[in-house]
Parts: sequence; structure tokens; C-alpha cells
Amino acid sequence: QLVLTQSPSASASLGASVKLTCTLSSGHSGYTIAWHQQQPEKGPRYLMKLNRDGSHSKGDGIPDRFSGSSSGAERYLTISSLQSEDEADYYCQTWGTGIRVFGGGTKLTVL
Amino acid sequence: QVQLVESGGDLVKPGGSLRLSCAASGFTFSDYYMTWIRQAPGKGLEWISYISGSGRTIFYADSVKGRFTISRDNAKNSLYLQLNSLRAEDTAVYYCARDTRAVADDPPDYWGQGTLVIVSS
Repeated sequence: QLVLTQSPSASASLGASVKLTCTLSSGHSGYTIAWHQQQPEKGPRYLMKLNRDGSHSKGDGIPDRFSGSSSGAERYLTISSLQSEDEADYYCQTWGTGIRVFGGGTKLTVL
Repeated sequence: QVQLVESGGDLVKPGGSLRLSCAASGFTFSDYYMTWIRQAPGKGLEWISYISGSGRTIFYADSVKGRFTISRDNAKNSLYLQLNSLRAEDTAVYYCARDTRAVADDPPDYWGQGTLVIVSS
């Protein structure tokens, strides 16, 4: 079964960097994923598509501070130079024929 | 610019029905798959259904199969979701999102602002 696992919460200081993790279920380590951001009281926003080799393509207007990387079944979202507006929920998502799957989301707090 | 605007959310009684709409603009609508995703209060995102650009390919999540129906009208650049036999657990904000093109393998890359459905007596 295709499942994405995320830590429920993370925190980092203003101006620092943070690395969020999304883990693909056993047997699905080669899947491409996407990262989406949801700021408080807003709809989600697409950040990037992230491939198994770590290559990624970002959505329109996404700052260079957002980057992605991969290692095995893990997919990462790194946010550098954290700003207050980066405080949000971050969801990883993957897909296949007939299915779209979301991780449970990570709530990022900027201290 | 790409815009997706949902409408149709409302308060409805258990067992009732509702039709949600999503008006799309800023791109060639018929080229893209479209998807519905929902978010229950205080919860994460849940994929519900997607439909191909032609409308011939449709899939549903098990949680809504047999109760919800996705459709589209490419002449009107509109996506729809018919919700029948509604339950309290269907209470959520419903989002439409632009999904992949048939010739690509891409994730949803634009989202609407959502429309709220409340199922309560």
C-alpha cells in the first residue's frame, strides 16, 4: 500500500534552515513526490515536484529558499533563511494510476 | 494566470445532496486532468477523485466511491462534484486542483481557495 509518512511537527528559528522529511512506504521508494504548503487559513500552494534522484522543478514564484533532495525512500524539503510567512503546514504527495496520496503533513513553527 | 474558483458549498442534512463547481481560467482546460481534494476541520488533505481531460478516465477514493460523482464541461471550463448520501464525516473544505496533462506525469500544481461543506442536522 502506497503511504507517505511525515513527522507531525517541526520548528526552527527565524533566519535558520529546516529540513522536512517525507518517507515512502516499502516497495515504493522510487516514486516521485510533490511538496505543497498550506499557510494558516489559506488553500494549499504547490511548491515543487521532487524526483527519486533529487532533481526537482518548482512551481511558479516559489523562492530559491525552497529546495528538495532525495535519499532512498526519503524525500526532503529544505527551507533556508526562514521567514515568518514560512510558518505553515507542509504536505508531501505522490500519485499513480487511479490514486493520489497525501502524507499527514508537518506543522512548521518559526521561532 | 491560472485561476480556480470553487463554489456550491453549503450546510446540508445527513443523507442530502450537493453539487460543487470549479470554474477554471488561464489555461487550456481540456488539456489537463482535474482533481478534487478535501480537508476536514483540523485535519490533513484527502484526495477524493480525478478526471482526465476528455472525461473518459475517472477514479475515486474508496471513502466516496458510489456516493460522489466527478464530471467536467470543457466548453464551460468547469469541473463538478456531485455529492450524494452525505454523512457527517464528509464535512470539509473541498478544493479543486489542476492535475497532470495526459502527456506528462505531474502533480497537482494549482489549487482553488476551497468551498466549505457542512453536513449536520
